[in-house]
Amino acid sequence: KNEVEQSPQNLTAQEGEFITINCSYSVGISALHWLQQHPGGGIVSLFMLSSGKKKHGRLIATINIQEKHSSLHITASHPRDSAVYICAVRVSGNTGKLIFGQGTTLQVKP
Amino acid sequence: DAGITQSPRYKITETGRQVTLMCHQTWSHSYMFWYRQDLGHGLRLIYYSAAADITDKGEVPDGYVVSRSKTENFPLTLESATRSQTSVYFCASSGGINSPLHFGNGTRLTVT
Repeated sequence: KNEVEQSPQNLTAQEGEFITINCSYSVGISALHWLQQHPGGGIVSLFMLSSGKKKHGRLIATINIQEKHSSLHITASHPRDSAVYICAVRVSGNTGKLIFGQGTTLQVKP
Repeated sequence: DAGITQSPRYKITETGRQVTLMCHQTWSHSYMFWYRQDLGHGLRLIYYSAAADITDKGEVPDGYVVSRSKTENFPLTLESATRSQTSVYFCASSGGINSPLHFGNGTRLTVT
């Protein structure tokens, strides 16, 4: 079993829909990252959080440390949101290594 | 321009050749990382560095060598390239252990 699990692996939505991507982890962490990768493109950091909730535009990220779970929400989804979303955790006490989830491929149809 | 840059963007090389992938960042970030991304494996850490002259192995270090003589540069060398090292390589930097990550645009390496 992977230490970081994302669900779903693939997601297709219609433009305007509310989207949720989940990330569960089995290790103690000091921080969790949400990353975005467009097809053939580079990787962009969306959020880094260690507690609570963060919001940036239409994106919201939450984390529940006790339940070892994080969610990434996209409100009013748009075709340009189509990308791979990757969850990564920094293990507590670790010098800086991240453990990555396998990614969630999102396609938003117009 | 400020940022993190990788070079080359694309590279084709033959089995057995030595290849060096370059990574340069202008923020003076202390942490730098090399990852490879392969279908079915996601991102895997090859090597990382917490500061100049400090490097450590990640999950998949075999066949790779790194150095960090200057804070801003973190080159990755494949000493004798193999076909299994065909991949997309990403360099990343971070200002601190719990700071956001910044990724380069990646280098697509093909070993024939």
